[in-house]
This record gives sequence, C-alpha cells and structure tokens, in this order.
Amino acid sequence: QVQLVQSGSELKKPGASVKVSCKASGYTFTSYAMNWVRQAPGQGLEWMGWINTNTGNPTYAQGFTGRFVFSLDTSVSTAYLQISSLKAEDTAVYYCARGSDGSGKKFDYWGQGTLVTVSS
Amino acid sequence: SYELTQPPSVSVSPGQTARITCSGDALPKQYAYWYQQKPGQAPVLVIYKDSERPSGIPERFSGSSSGTTVTLTISGVQAEDEADYYCLSADSSGTYVVFGGGTKLTVL
Repeated sequence: QVQLVQSGSELKKPGASVKVSCKASGYTFTSYAMNWVRQAPGQGLEWMGWINTNTGNPTYAQGFTGRFVFSLDTSVSTAYLQISSLKAEDTAVYYCARGSDGSGKKFDYWGQGTLVTVSS
Repeated sequence: SYELTQPPSVSVSPGQTARITCSGDALPKQYAYWYQQKPGQAPVLVIYKDSERPSGIPERFSGSSSGTTVTLTISGVQAEDEADYYCLSADSSGTYVVFGGGTKLTVL
C-alpha cells in the first residue's frame, strides 16, 4: 500500500536550518510528482510547490522562493524540504503529498505532517 | 496572485444537505479538487476533477461546476463529516496551484 512517512517534529532557533524528509513506499517513486504544503497553527493549507521526481526539477510557489529548497534521493525514494534562515513565522506543520493524474494536482496520498517550531 | 474564495463556515443539521462553494476566475479552465481535514489529521481527497469521487469516499460526497464556481455537496450529512474543507485548483496557466481559504463545516 502507498505510504508517505515524514520525519519527526523539529524545534529550531531563529536563523537555523531544517531538513524535512518524506519517504515513499508502495509505488514507483519517480512516476508521481511530490508536492509540499504548509499549514501554520490555526490556519489553512498553503501550497509551497512541487518537485518532478523524474527530472528533479522544482517549482516554487510565490512566497517560497529563496529560503526553501526541494530535493530528492531517488535511491531511497525520499523527497526533502530544506528551509534555511528560519523565522518564527515558519512555525507550521509541513506536509508532503503525492500528485497523481496528468495534472499532478490530485493529491491522493499525504504524509502525516512534520511540525517545525521556530523559537528562541 | 490567484485566489480561490470559500465561505468561512457552513452549518447544517444531521441528515440535511451541505453545500460549500469555491469561486475563482480560472475555474472554467482548470479542474477543482476538494480535501477534507479533521483536527490533527492530514487532509484527505474527497473529490477530484470537479466531480469525480475517489474509491472509499462515501456516495454522499459529490462535486459540480458552473462557470467560475465549483460546489462540494454533502447529502445526508453525518456527524463524522464535521471538518474543514478546502478547494484546490490552479491559475489559468496551470502552473501554480492554490488552496481556497477553507470552510469549517459544523454539524449542529
């Protein structure tokens, strides 16, 4: 069965970096896009962008350029989200979500979410 | 930047029909997707490509589209349907995806 398992919660100080992992299983990793979604405490869902798992080419949404980097290690079917120069406003749950159908917008499987807390 | 507009809240009694709308200029060109999120859980896809229902989603969930508005309809609402619902679609180019602000469905 398809599973996306994310790394555990992180507590970081402002200015530090964090790398969140999303390990896929139960399907061919390079056949589906991987999206990243942010949810700040008590707020809605925010699409951060996606990465083409076949080519490694990332697309970032407005507001997620510069400090945010999507990457892959296809040998272990894992996608990564790295955030640098962390700010308090980066405190949120971060989800990975598989994008299926031709458009890649059908997010049919989601990771369990990773809480990143940025606090001094 | 492109936006999708949803009502913040909808309330219905058990057994009634709930309708949640989502409006956006590009919706005549781009499919809409609906996600259900319960507290402390990851979202779940309930409708894709405007009106298709994934396997395992109850038949009481349906979707429709008319012009710049798409609608998620939940017929015979049950207490377990109480959740936040988000629409998702893309801008007219299809490049950038956006979520609506979310609608909290309350079952009275």
